[in-house]
Amino acid sequence: EPEVTQTPSHQVTQMGQEVILRCVPISNHLYFYWYRQILGQKVEFLVSFYNNEISEKSEIFDDQFSVERPDGSNFTLKIRSTKLEDSAMYFCASKGGASYEQYFGPGTRLTVT
Amino acid sequence: AQSVAQPEDQVNVAEGNPLTVKCTYSVSGNPYLFWYVQYPNRGLQFLLKYITGDNLVKGSYGFEAEFNKSQTSFHLKKPSALVSDSALYFCAVRASLNYGGSQGNLIFGKGTKLSVKP
Repeated sequence: EPEVTQTPSHQVTQMGQEVILRCVPISNHLYFYWYRQILGQKVEFLVSFYNNEISEKSEIFDDQFSVERPDGSNFTLKIRSTKLEDSAMYFCASKGGASYEQYFGPGTRLTVT
Repeated sequence: AQSVAQPEDQVNVAEGNPLTVKCTYSVSGNPYLFWYVQYPNRGLQFLLKYITGDNLVKGSYGFEAEFNKSQTSFHLKKPSALVSDSALYFCAVRASLNYGGSQGNLIFGKGTKLSVKP
């Protein structure tokens, strides 16, 4: 069964450093998403991406964040200058054009020290 | 504003007993409702959804959920719990496109930890 994959599974970085989180969505899916889950809190929407552009973003997704689909298979989330409060589990998800449900990857745990 | 409430942090049941995990929602217009399960160190796994039609929807692993419009609820149920059902369960909602919804932006509840004891 096709699944969403994410790399790395765990990333440790120092405050102020740039990080790139990578995702490979399910191959025939058209809509792509990033969510995050701070430890012990709700899963929160960050951004959705369709047709090579951002279709929606939350207030969390400020200028420090960017997304890209560089090669038609990968979908990346970049945080330009990480802050301590960016420490969280980041989930990528994808959705087919005709479906309603999103399929999530296993997540990347980002730890900012 | 759209929101999802899962009033129980934890639900404990004995194996073989029926289980219910509660969810209520607030959304403009017709809701699209989802249940996801998260096992330790794993991503969110889709269980079932309600979009329209029959209020009782069936999903993976014997789970089902009942949509109740008057009570704005979408409780997850299973007739006979298994120890392997122990996990974190998330309810999520998305408004329909006609009411300001979009192709994304699932709103999640805070999650309910289900513990099934032998």
